[in-house]
Amino acid sequence: KNEVEQSPQNLTAQEGEFITINCSYSVGISALHWLQQHPGGGIVSLFMLSSGKKKHGRLIATINIQEKHSSLHITASHPRDSAVYICAVNEGAQKLVFGQGTRLTINP
Amino acid sequence: EPEVTQTPSHQVTQMGQEVILRCVPISNHLYFYWYRQILGQKVEFLVSFYNNEISEKSEIFDDQFSVERPDGSNFTLKIRSTKLEDSAMYFCASRGGGNQPQHFGDGTRLSIL
Repeated sequence: KNEVEQSPQNLTAQEGEFITINCSYSVGISALHWLQQHPGGGIVSLFMLSSGKKKHGRLIATINIQEKHSSLHITASHPRDSAVYICAVNEGAQKLVFGQGTRLTINP
Repeated sequence: EPEVTQTPSHQVTQMGQEVILRCVPISNHLYFYWYRQILGQKVEFLVSFYNNEISEKSEIFDDQFSVERPDGSNFTLKIRSTKLEDSAMYFCASRGGGNQPQHFGDGTRLSIL
């Protein structure tokens, strides 16, 4: 069974700062997901990646398959980026195994 | 953009009562999932459903739980006799074929009194 660990658990930063959230997992995977959970609870998929790097707007996700590690970066952070960011990995063909989430707060 | 829709957004139920949580997946999706998140904890897998049958379930998904796709559009999760520890946010997700990401609904917050 895969163990997914995120760091840090909580992160507070000032608007404009560059943000990095890390995720490590214990067993090889076919894909890793970065998700955003809003204060109301809804979950939005940000990235699904199996190698290399993906970029969408100010968000960048990278994965190193050999080291079983992924990072989510946010450039020029903004208060609206405040949310819980969750890393999840595919286990088998069907289910996702989730990390505990990183609560990000961006102050103006 | 198509969305996964869950109803109700909040359900309050007395312990021992049956509850049905409803989901409308994205229309051309083939794989369906239920997850739950107890307050302050990780999101946990409950069950996956494909081709009108359960393809995988977790140890949480015991005989009190069942899933159904009654009419080709809805996907429901039934808890037969709710317990206090069933209080959680329940998320439905769906995905298309191949290597597609899962799309999540906004969740149903279930409160058992």
